[in-house]
Amino acid sequence: KAGVTQTPRYLIKTRGQQVTLSCSPISGHRSVSWYQQTPGQGLQFLFEYFSETQRNKGNFPGRFSGRQFSNSRSEMNVSTLELGDSALYLCASSLVSSGDTQYFGPGTRLTVL
Amino acid sequence: QQPVQSPQAVILREGEDAVINCSSSKALYSVHWYRQKHGEAPVFLMILLKGGEQKGHDKISASFNEKKQQSSLYLTASQLSYSGTYFCGTEGLTGANNLFFGTGTRLTVIP
Repeated sequence: KAGVTQTPRYLIKTRGQQVTLSCSPISGHRSVSWYQQTPGQGLQFLFEYFSETQRNKGNFPGRFSGRQFSNSRSEMNVSTLELGDSALYLCASSLVSSGDTQYFGPGTRLTVL
Repeated sequence: QQPVQSPQAVILREGEDAVINCSSSKALYSVHWYRQKHGEAPVFLMILLKGGEQKGHDKISASFNEKKQQSSLYLTASQLSYSGTYFCGTEGLTGANNLFFGTGTRLTVIP
């Protein structure tokens, strides 16, 4: 079974631009969670989608948004990029809901100049 | 809601044992343990659910004391491949599928 895939793997943007990241979960998994990882803040939860609905959201500004499609693929969008948005963005998929193992993708490394 | 991990870093010689602790101030539904090597995504090690249990495979095991909201990861007879940063992720009782991760424990195993 293929693992979680994320595209693109690397991205360089400038301040003020917007970016869209994509995540394809493991086949059959309906929950997709997004995390931001930085050296200073560590791994921080962004949001979780299940059956096309956002079920939970972390403490991030409204510039961070996401959505999930009927095939469980998910996208994350960041508008008006700031230098502090430079990070590794990880998505994780799980079968159903809480208590399930979350399998991480390789991440998208975003650099904001 | 971020759990506290200790120690922050540890250096072991091959064959030595280590314990990594994870403590939360909130009631927990589950604790997840991951290992991340530099430049790679976190890799799942194990999950412990509410009910207080202990799990293990090979030479890595973990315990979860839900009353104390604490979990410990035990690495025995460490191997070079155990090197990496270990994270615990905690899940509260709200039923939401999101994890709060500790700041990580950097484990280095030397020959």
